[in-house]
Amino acid sequence: ELKVEQNPLFLSMQEGKNYTIYCNYSTTSDRLYWYRQDPGKSLESLFVLLSNGAVKQEGRLMASLDTKARLSTLHITAAVHDLSATYFCAVPSGNAGNMLTFGGGTRLMVKP
Amino acid sequence: NAGVMQNPRHLVRRRGQEARLRCSPMKGHSHVYWYRQLPEEGLKFMVYLQKENIIDESGMPKERFSAEFPKEGPSILRIQQVVRGDSAAYFCASSLTGGYYGYTFGSGTRLTVV
Repeated sequence: ELKVEQNPLFLSMQEGKNYTIYCNYSTTSDRLYWYRQDPGKSLESLFVLLSNGAVKQEGRLMASLDTKARLSTLHITAAVHDLSATYFCAVPSGNAGNMLTFGGGTRLMVKP
Repeated sequence: NAGVMQNPRHLVRRRGQEARLRCSPMKGHSHVYWYRQLPEEGLKFMVYLQKENIIDESGMPKERFSAEFPKEGPSILRIQQVVRGDSAAYFCASSLTGGYYGYTFGSGTRLTVV
């Protein structure tokens, strides 16, 4: 059974600082997805990583995928308050690889 | 493009009643997925459907829960005889193909069982 673990589960940081969120998964996968969720809201797609070594950047966020290590990272550069949210990674699973198994989420709070 | 539309946004049911949650996928998407999110937790897969077919229901509780995606109209997640433990946010997602290039999520239905 696929397990997806994120750490840290909670992250409080000052504006302007850098930090990395880690996503480990237990079985082979060549794809991984990152989502953002604001309180009471839906999931917003951030990154779709489709191969080993994939790196994508959008603003202050950068995501990478190492399929051999079964690890993805979401790096935050010079955090701002607007980045405060919960971040989830998700890995395809199921017989056809069409369902997603989510990590438990990382709740990020960026303090002014 | 209106995105994935779910309704109602909030639903309150008394124990023992039925809950019906609706999901209209993005235009052109024929793959629909339902997920449940308990407070302070990640999303858990429930069921994957294509038009008129259930492809994978491995995450659905064996009793009281059912899902359909008819030829015409939205996908429906139906919960019979709701219990307090069914209180959660239920999200629908859709994809163009099997989700390889990603999934689009709806705004969710927050079900409260009183």
